Amino acid sequence: NAGVTQTPKFQVLKTGQSMTLQCAQDMNHNSMYWYRQDPGMGLRLIYYSASEGTTDKGEVPNGYNVSRLNKREFSLRLESAAPSQTSVYFCASSREGGFSNEQFFGPGTRLTVL
Amino acid sequence: GEDVEQSLFLSVREGDSSVINCTYTDSSSTYLYWYKQEPGAGLQLLTYIFSNMDMKQDQRLTVLLNKKDKHLSLRIADTQTGDSAIYFCAESMNTGFQKLVFGTGTRLLVSP
Repeated sequence: NAGVTQTPKFQVLKTGQSMTLQCAQDMNHNSMYWYRQDPGMGLRLIYYSASEGTTDKGEVPNGYNVSRLNKREFSLRLESAAPSQTSVYFCASSREGGFSNEQFFGPGTRLTVL
Repeated sequence: GEDVEQSLFLSVREGDSSVINCTYTDSSSTYLYWYKQEPGAGLQLLTYIFSNMDMKQDQRLTVLLNKKDKHLSLRIADTQTGDSAIYFCAESMNTGFQKLVFGTGTRLLVSP
């Protein structure tokens, strides 16, 4: 039982390049989330998927797209990376969205955009 | 509005108690949470409290909730060096599908 896994762990991009961050969970959770973590700003929600087949914007969706490929996988795509997207990205999942359902986090992807 | 605030840094000596504070703005939050992030890792849930409670104790952890002042605190008794980490409070937004809004995080440094 690996929990939430993310690839890659580290990535350096040049401005304008594209890439996809991968996330998978093996806990049969319905809901999945993408956050970014910046110093002094906590975690901010980029996109979430309440259930397989649905995705919705969070607090900071601009410059990102997501795909809920199946129940296990939720990917985050940067079409044209910008230095402002330098951050640590976390994927999380929960059994269902809300109440006392715990969100389980992956180890993060540290992205630098030059 | 959605805004969760925490002080950025706390330093204590091993064996002392630590108190990490958090203020939030949405009075309709149903659950409030404390997460811990160790260096290079994701967040792990430490504990949570339902909004109709004012205190919850779990071993060395005590959570106090003052709903009138929208103030949440986490007390760690007998703090150990292994407790050094960043602690995030988070509130659940009561808007259909519940999302979490995280605070800025408090870095706790425990010295021997």
